Amino acid sequence: GNSVTQMEGPVTLSEEAFLTINCTYTATGYPSLFWYVQYPGEGLQLLLKATKADDKGSNKGFEATYRKETTSFHLEKGSVQVSDSAVYFCALGPNTGNQFYFGTGTSLTVIP
Amino acid sequence: DGGITQSPKYLFRKEGQNVTLSCEQNLNHDAMYWYRQDPGQGLRLIYYSQIVNDFQKGDIAEGYSVSREKKESFPLTVTSAQKNPTAFYLCASSRELLTGAGYTFGSGTRLTVV
Repeated sequence: GNSVTQMEGPVTLSEEAFLTINCTYTATGYPSLFWYVQYPGEGLQLLLKATKADDKGSNKGFEATYRKETTSFHLEKGSVQVSDSAVYFCALGPNTGNQFYFGTGTSLTVIP
Repeated sequence: DGGITQSPKYLFRKEGQNVTLSCEQNLNHDAMYWYRQDPGQGLRLIYYSQIVNDFQKGDIAEGYSVSREKKESFPLTVTSAQKNPTAFYLCASSRELLTGAGYTFGSGTRLTVV
């Protein structure tokens, strides 16, 4: 079946530190992969996505590369800011089927 | 701007009462979804709908009901049969049921049973 395993948090970093949040998946076929971000008290916002192997999604300085050989979609940012403090969700959207599969979320706190 | 509107943002319910959470979208999306979010558990699918007058149970549908009388609206009723309803509820929509295009989420409703 389909599933997403996400690095557990919480993660606390100093401003300008390098961020990696690990995400691996199990899926049949060729799914699309997503990272969503949730700020306190709000819904989820799409951060970036990749629809096929070796694609790199990027947005607001965040990047993730769809690695079929390692079934991974790790989120990275070279220099985090306090405003990046949020919960990050990795998600899988199968090309057939009827729902997304979300990871459990990773809470990130960036301190000045 | 198009988007999804959930209301109210905060809702309090007495035990034994039914409550209805509103979800409206003006994105012309066909598919709509309800998720429940609990701390440390990620998102769990309650119900989803592909078209008007049709909906399907998700992973945790017990104690919930929905309707889809209009394309734009997908209200969720939390019934008294739901044993632990306190949670954050998220509505989402997508252009089509096949999910390669991604979801658009509302800002959520936090339900508390008092």
